Amino acid sequence: QEQLQESGPGLVKPSETLSLTCTVSGGSITNHYWSWIRQPPGKGLEWIGYIYYTGSTNYNPSLKSRVTISADTSKNQFSLNLRSVTAADTAVYYCARETNNWLDPWGQGTLVTVSS
Amino acid sequence: QSVLTQPPSVSGAPGQRVIISCTGSSSNIGAGYNVHWYQQLPGTAPKLLISANTNRPSGVPDRFSGSKSGTSASLAITGLQSEDEADYYCQSYDSSLSAWVFGGGTKLTVL
Repeated sequence: QEQLQESGPGLVKPSETLSLTCTVSGGSITNHYWSWIRQPPGKGLEWIGYIYYTGSTNYNPSLKSRVTISADTSKNQFSLNLRSVTAADTAVYYCARETNNWLDPWGQGTLVTVSS
Repeated sequence: QSVLTQPPSVSGAPGQRVIISCTGSSSNIGAGYNVHWYQQLPGTAPKLLISANTNRPSGVPDRFSGSKSGTSASLAITGLQSEDEADYYCQSYDSSLSAWVFGGGTKLTVL
């Protein structure tokens, strides 16, 4: 079974860019779709977007203007960049594999706090 | 509020059966898009519980079952156990939003 691990800074200043990486082990990122999802503290889940290993992407329209997801097949990783962050972007960020439109498995998640 | 509507909380005694509903509209569940369910135990990442409306991934007990009809879907849990206490989320696709959408989540309490 594949395992996913998110990594990146836990604290980002307002107006800056949030950057996270998801490393996939136990399998290859090729031939799959890979998603980012976030969960503000005490709240529900929000889909951010996905990337196919070829680089094709699809983003949540509510975040599209600020989001870029990229993939590096040589490192078996995919990444999230979220620009111009505010306190409302404080959340636990998860990466997950998408198969036939469901998400499985998920990474353990990483908390990113936006604060000066 | 979420595009998919779930009750904020449900509860039941050990051994009982509970049902968690997920109500959508003609642009998501009613349009024929599949519904998937996730279980999130306290302090952990969500875990796939039911895929494509009714399918249980390997390792998920048969106490969990899913169904879909019209613009709604349901998750049934029978023989409630204390370890079932968790948040449960439904997920589908919305063609109006062009996005994957989640329900707001339902907190299950085992009395």
